[in-house]
Amino acid sequence: SQQGEEDPQALSIQEGENATMNCSYKTSINNLQWYRQNSGRGLVHLILIRSNEREKHSGRLRVTLDTSKKSSSLLITASRAADTASYFCATDGSGANSKLTFGKGITLSVRP
Amino acid sequence: ETGVTQSPTHLIKTRGQQVTLRCSSQSGHNTVSWYQQALGQGPQFIFQYYREEENGRGNFPPRFSGLQFPNYSSELNVNALELDDSALYLCASSFPLTNEQFFGPGTRLTVL
Repeated sequence: SQQGEEDPQALSIQEGENATMNCSYKTSINNLQWYRQNSGRGLVHLILIRSNEREKHSGRLRVTLDTSKKSSSLLITASRAADTASYFCATDGSGANSKLTFGKGITLSVRP
Repeated sequence: ETGVTQSPTHLIKTRGQQVTLRCSSQSGHNTVSWYQQALGQGPQFIFQYYREEENGRGNFPPRFSGLQFPNYSSELNVNALELDDSALYLCASSFPLTNEQFFGPGTRLTVL
């Protein structure tokens, strides 16, 4: 079953614009991670935010986490055509088993 | 690029056959997780290995089995293949406490 639900399912923007993607989840988490996937290839790790963190930055990426609303957002600033990909949020819960639970993903298209 | 490698890249099998997929983890990582990703879906957790022992399993039947070797590389075996087993199979390696998982490029399995 899917834990995370990303929103929107698809997003199309112009190069240079910002892209905001949202993720909601259902149960308590330890960490939330965002991944990028190009054309059905392997997942590229973008950023990990812990449950006691509220915001994190990495280059053009900004991730926020609101554990009271069980939601996270990924902001990509000044988007580039190379950012075109599918984006997934993944959560892991407490306990010894650190499996990741993924949503269905968001398809981002950045038009040149 | 992560240091996680998978082989083979693509594989075509017929229903009822058996398949073995291989994964080499990133240097220093002693935990390997396997995921199945059907077309248009997020990855689904199959199982995880830590120090050669299974450390958690998702909702997959026993015909999905695995191994981890002393050098932390891993195999995923699937017996009695079914058409629905057609998917991208991803392995990810991590340190057990951080759970920042790094994925390989995947193996695309097609069952005819």
